[in-house]
Amino acid sequence: EAGVAQSPRYKIIEKRQSVAFWCNPISGHATLYWYQQILGQGPKLLIQFQNNGVVDDSQLPKDRFSAERLKGVDSTLKIQPAKLEDSAVYLCASSPRQEIYGYTFGSGTRLTVV
Amino acid sequence: QKEVEQNSGPLSVPEGAIASLNCTYSDRVSQSFFWYRQYSGKSPELIMSIYSNGDKEDGRFTAQLNKASQYVSLLIRDSQPSDSATYLCAVNTGGGNKLTFGTGTQLKVEL
Repeated sequence: EAGVAQSPRYKIIEKRQSVAFWCNPISGHATLYWYQQILGQGPKLLIQFQNNGVVDDSQLPKDRFSAERLKGVDSTLKIQPAKLEDSAVYLCASSPRQEIYGYTFGSGTRLTVV
Repeated sequence: QKEVEQNSGPLSVPEGAIASLNCTYSDRVSQSFFWYRQYSGKSPELIMSIYSNGDKEDGRFTAQLNKASQYVSLLIRDSQPSDSATYLCAVNTGGGNKLTFGTGTQLKVEL
């Protein structure tokens, strides 16, 4: 079974620029999550999708962050404009349907905003 | 009060000893509990899940859950240097299937 794919692995941008991250979940997994992990902290949920609908985006800074899940499969997370405090690892995870399984995380995208 | 709390450590144990990692949570309706291991520069890796009160053993790892005390722990027996990592406690919160993570406990296993 292929894992969760994310790209790019690393990204360095200047503040006020825009950036996008891509995630392809495990085949058949209906639920997809984007987490933000700042150095020294645990992952924080940004947004949860069930198929192509948003279940929870209460912690997504909607003035600058946006996310979509195309046709219930791939997802993109965008930041525009980026701030210094957005420097973090952005992790994508997926799980089957509504049951509580431990997530499988992708390798993450490390974003540095300078 | 944070939803999921862990001591940040570092917790240092000698090789071969038992490492004990602790976690408390605030949401009484939480039903599912997980431990993730995260090596430096890597993404979290699921190592244990527990859903019922009591102990669950898997190899050198034992997860313990006490819902009345809102407490979950992870024991690592015969600790090895390769166990040196940050251990994240995760709890399903809000009645749904999202996980809330603690800040993690850094474990160092010394030769």
